[in-house]
Amino acid sequence: EPEVTQTPSHQVTQMGQEVILRCVPISNHLYFYWYRQILGQKVEFLVSFYNNEISEKSEIFDDQFSVERPDGSNFTLKIRSTKLEDSAMYFCASNHRLQADTEAFFGQGTRLTVV
Amino acid sequence: AQRVTQPEKLLSVFKGAPVELKCNYSYSGSPELFWYVQYSRQRLQLLLRHISRESIKGFTADLNKGETSFHLKKPFAQEEDSAMYYCALSTRDDKIIFGKGTRLHILP
Repeated sequence: EPEVTQTPSHQVTQMGQEVILRCVPISNHLYFYWYRQILGQKVEFLVSFYNNEISEKSEIFDDQFSVERPDGSNFTLKIRSTKLEDSAMYFCASNHRLQADTEAFFGQGTRLTVV
Repeated sequence: AQRVTQPEKLLSVFKGAPVELKCNYSYSGSPELFWYVQYSRQRLQLLLRHISRESIKGFTADLNKGETSFHLKKPFAQEEDSAMYYCALSTRDDKIIFGKGTRLHILP
């Protein structure tokens, strides 16, 4: 069964450092997403991406965040200058919206710990 | 406002007893509703969606538009059902809004 893969599974970084979280979506999917889940809280939408541009972003997705699809397979989330409150589980997801199926396939997540 | 509410953070149920995980939503339009499950140390995965009206692993969920609810039910709980369950709503613009999740703990 195809799956979305995320690397690394756990990233520890110092406050102020840049981090890049990587995702490989399912190959024929067209829509890509990043979500995050702060410990003990709900999963929150960050950004959706289609046709090489952001289609929607939440208020959480400020100038510190950026996304990129550099090579047609990877989908990355960059946090320019991490803050303690960026510590969370980050989930990548993808789906093929041209079908009636609206299911999004999620990766296993990257746990980001900012110290 | 678009919102998904799961009122219970933790639900403990004895093995063999019925399970009901509550979910209420707020959405102006026709919602697409889902239940996602996250087993320990695994990825979030889709359990079921209201449009398919299917039963997965013995779980069912009926969309009640009058009560704006999409409760997840199973008549007889099994130990392997212990997991985190998220109710989710898909909006017209492809955003997925999750509830806070309910941890289901099946007692032996």
